[in-house]
Amino acid sequence: GNSVTQMEGPVTLSEEAFLTINCTYTATGYPSLFWYVQYPGEGLQLLLKATKADDKGSNKGFEATYRKETTSFHLEKGSVQVSDSAVYFCALLLGDSWGKLQFGAGTQVVVTP
Amino acid sequence: EPEVTQTPSHQVTQMGQEVILRCVPISNHLYFYWYRQILGQKVEFLVSFYNNEISEKSEIFDDQFSVERPDGSNFTLKIRSTKLEDSAMYFCASSAGGGAGETQYFGPGTRLLVL
Repeated sequence: GNSVTQMEGPVTLSEEAFLTINCTYTATGYPSLFWYVQYPGEGLQLLLKATKADDKGSNKGFEATYRKETTSFHLEKGSVQVSDSAVYFCALLLGDSWGKLQFGAGTQVVVTP
Repeated sequence: EPEVTQTPSHQVTQMGQEVILRCVPISNHLYFYWYRQILGQKVEFLVSFYNNEISEKSEIFDDQFSVERPDGSNFTLKIRSTKLEDSAMYFCASSAGGGAGETQYFGPGTRLLVL
């Protein structure tokens, strides 16, 4: 079946530290890949996406590259801020799935001043 | 910026009661979805809806669940007879298209508590 595996949290970092959240997937086809972020008390917001192998998604200083050879879509940010504290979800979407986004378990990130 | 809205933000109900969760998708979107997140667990797909029909549903979406687009703006999820295990955060989402690369935009969620 199709699934997404994320590193467990919480991940606790100091401000300006480098952040990596690992995400790997298994899929029967060629999915699009997404990172969503959930700030405290809010809904899911799209952070970035990539629709084919070697695509790089980027937004707000975050980046992730679709690596088909390692079935990964790791999220990175070079210098985190306190405002980046949130839960980050990796997700995949297959073209024949009628919009069925499949999410990883989410990784909580806590950035301290 | 257009956004998906959901009402109510919180709902408390007794087991066996019917609940209707409401969503207003982004106005020019054609594809609509419901997801849920039980506390501490993954966000799970429930159902997708297009052209006034269910396109796909998960095994969670049994006969107790139904969806409807009663007018041009609302999209509702009805749970006929709630169970304790239906307690979760329910998210509505919408997208302009239905392809693999389409972005789904999520609402803030309705937290449902079944007592």
